[in-house]
Amino acid sequence: QKEVEQNSGPLSVPEGAIASLNCTYSDRGSQSFFWYRQYSGKSPELIMFIYSNGDKEDGRFTAQLNKASQYVSLLIRDSQPSDSATYLCAVTHNNQAGTALIFGKGTTLSVSS
Amino acid sequence: GAGVSQSPSNKVTEKGKDVELRCDPISGHTALYWYRQSLGQGLEFLIYFQGNSAPDKSGLPSDRFSAERTGGSVSTLTIQRTQQEDSAVYLCASSPRGQGSNGELFFGEGSRLTVL
Repeated sequence: QKEVEQNSGPLSVPEGAIASLNCTYSDRGSQSFFWYRQYSGKSPELIMFIYSNGDKEDGRFTAQLNKASQYVSLLIRDSQPSDSATYLCAVTHNNQAGTALIFGKGTTLSVSS
Repeated sequence: GAGVSQSPSNKVTEKGKDVELRCDPISGHTALYWYRQSLGQGLEFLIYFQGNSAPDKSGLPSDRFSAERTGGSVSTLTIQRTQQEDSAVYLCASSPRGQGSNGELFFGEGSRLTVL
């Protein structure tokens, strides 16, 4: 069973701080990594994807990937109350049917004003 | 519409009844996924269709669950003899895949199933 592990939280940070969300995965063959944000009662929406080792920045968000350690993280700089949501890490898993996307259970982030 | 459409949005059923949940993906998207999300939990992978390939059914929790995708478009998830633990939001997502795609999934609003 291929797994994606996340700390469920809640992770609480004050407004303006850096929030750090972490994810580990078990399938060494995984090639693509995604971070989705899910507001309460809503469907997930993509915020970042990363394919190569290292950092990828998009505005206040930075995704970091280390394939050797099977670790991917998301940093949110200058956290805002509107960032309060559950963040889901997702990893591709290849099999005979194609490439499925497996999600972790998510980390709940709470940003206090 | 332009997005993934799911129906019904809400379904209340009695234990032991069969239910069908429908997903109409974004036109042209070759990949279609079904996930289940129980209250306060993450997304549990159920089944994945990619084009005309045999589906990846590895996430279906029991033989009471089945899904089909007709003509490479609309998909139906069927749950037979429903149990209370089947109560959850069932999310469908589609993806364009192929060249130029980053693999992003586009989710529908979900079908909330309540088994009494």
